Amino acid sequence: AQSVSQHNHHVILSEAASLELGCNYSYGGTVNLFWYVQYPGQHLQLLLKYFSGDPLVKGIKGFEAEFIKSKFSFNLRKPSVQWSDTAEYFCAVKLTSGTYKYIFGTGTRLKVLA
Amino acid sequence: SQTIHQWPATLVQPVGSPLSLECTVEGTSNPNLYWYRQAAGRGLQLLFYSVGIGQISSEVPQNLSASRPQDRQFILSSKKLLLSDSGFYLCAWSLGIIETQYFGPGTRLLVL
Repeated sequence: AQSVSQHNHHVILSEAASLELGCNYSYGGTVNLFWYVQYPGQHLQLLLKYFSGDPLVKGIKGFEAEFIKSKFSFNLRKPSVQWSDTAEYFCAVKLTSGTYKYIFGTGTRLKVLA
Repeated sequence: SQTIHQWPATLVQPVGSPLSLECTVEGTSNPNLYWYRQAAGRGLQLLFYSVGIGQISSEVPQNLSASRPQDRQFILSSKKLLLSDSGFYLCAWSLGIIETQYFGPGTRLLVL
């Protein structure tokens, strides 16, 4: 069965530190990839997405992610985190082979210390 | 613009009681609709999805059911709640087969 792995469950960083959250999926076909973020007390919202083209995608609030097909990875990065980035981050995969299902990772809780 | 509503926001129910959670989408037609349960450390578990009125796909066998009586309405139900049904329930919508999902505010359910 297809799955999405987020190996970092909890991450604590100081402001201005660099961030990289890992995401790996297990599916050999064509995929659409997403990162969602859930700030405390808010809706789950889209951070960025990859459908095709340039494997380096940029999202809101200075986040970016790189799709590396050979590694089945879609890691999220930010060069310098802020206290306001404290949130839970979810990686998700959408298979393009005739399914409407999205598969989510278990999430990474990021805490940024001021 | 499109909006998605869920109610109630919070619900406390006794074990064995029935459940009905409602989700409605505004500003779009023929959306794909989804119910997820979010548990700490376990991410989002897809429960049901629907690509049209009356069409329900179940992902996890359990004592929950879903219905889609109208194009933009998705209902999650149970005849008898279990303690293990406690959790945070999210509704989401998307368009087409290759599109972003948009999430509602969620319903926090506590079964006592």
